[in-house]
Amino acid sequence: DGGITQSPKYLFRKEGQNVTLSCEQNLNHDAMYWYRQDPGQGLRLIYYSQIVNDFQKGDIAEGYSVSREKKESFPLTVTSAQKNPTAFYLCASSAPTSGRAIWSGELFFGEGSRLTVL
Amino acid sequence: AQSVSQHNHHVILSEAASLELGCNYSYGGTVNLFWYVQYPGQHLQLLLKYFSGDPLVKGIKGFEAEFIKSKFSFNLRKPSVQWSDTAEYFCAVTSLPGGYNKLIFGAGTRLAVHP
Repeated sequence: DGGITQSPKYLFRKEGQNVTLSCEQNLNHDAMYWYRQDPGQGLRLIYYSQIVNDFQKGDIAEGYSVSREKKESFPLTVTSAQKNPTAFYLCASSAPTSGRAIWSGELFFGEGSRLTVL
Repeated sequence: AQSVSQHNHHVILSEAASLELGCNYSYGGTVNLFWYVQYPGQHLQLLLKYFSGDPLVKGIKGFEAEFIKSKFSFNLRKPSVQWSDTAEYFCAVTSLPGGYNKLIFGAGTRLAVHP
């Protein structure tokens, strides 16, 4: 089935350690996103990528890094510089496929990764 | 900066009660509007969306939302809720032109429906 796969589902890390969250999609979507979900704050955009080898900072990019070397993959690294990393991280992708003029507006989300810093 | 406000953080209803969840946004230009839903243990998924045309849009599972431009609102409604509607609901907006990659979400409303 087509979809978005995030791993790991649960992750624990010690303070000062970097950790990388995986996000893979087989929907052939150009755009991919990382959001952070905290109780009472909704979803906040960390980074997004419209195309391979290009990505843009979202609203809360500090302490995070991403890469987009392949269309299917958009890993997120939570660095030790992120002051409050414990959160639920959601990866998403969106249509259109290349060349389409109108964006559908629908994001397809993964199941999320819950990171806890001990 | 663009923002989305959801007025109720927690709503508790009995089955068959009517539902209305408020959503207001701050952007004054052309917008696309969305409601997403996150059922317990499931992916966040699209409930309905408004791009243009009829301001009353219908989504899945009997939900509808009305876009009122003068009030910058996009409230979600359902005439009769079911226990299975228990979920968290998020309103989201993106501005045009050029904003299609930045979907701004509200804080969410947790709905609990009791049998």
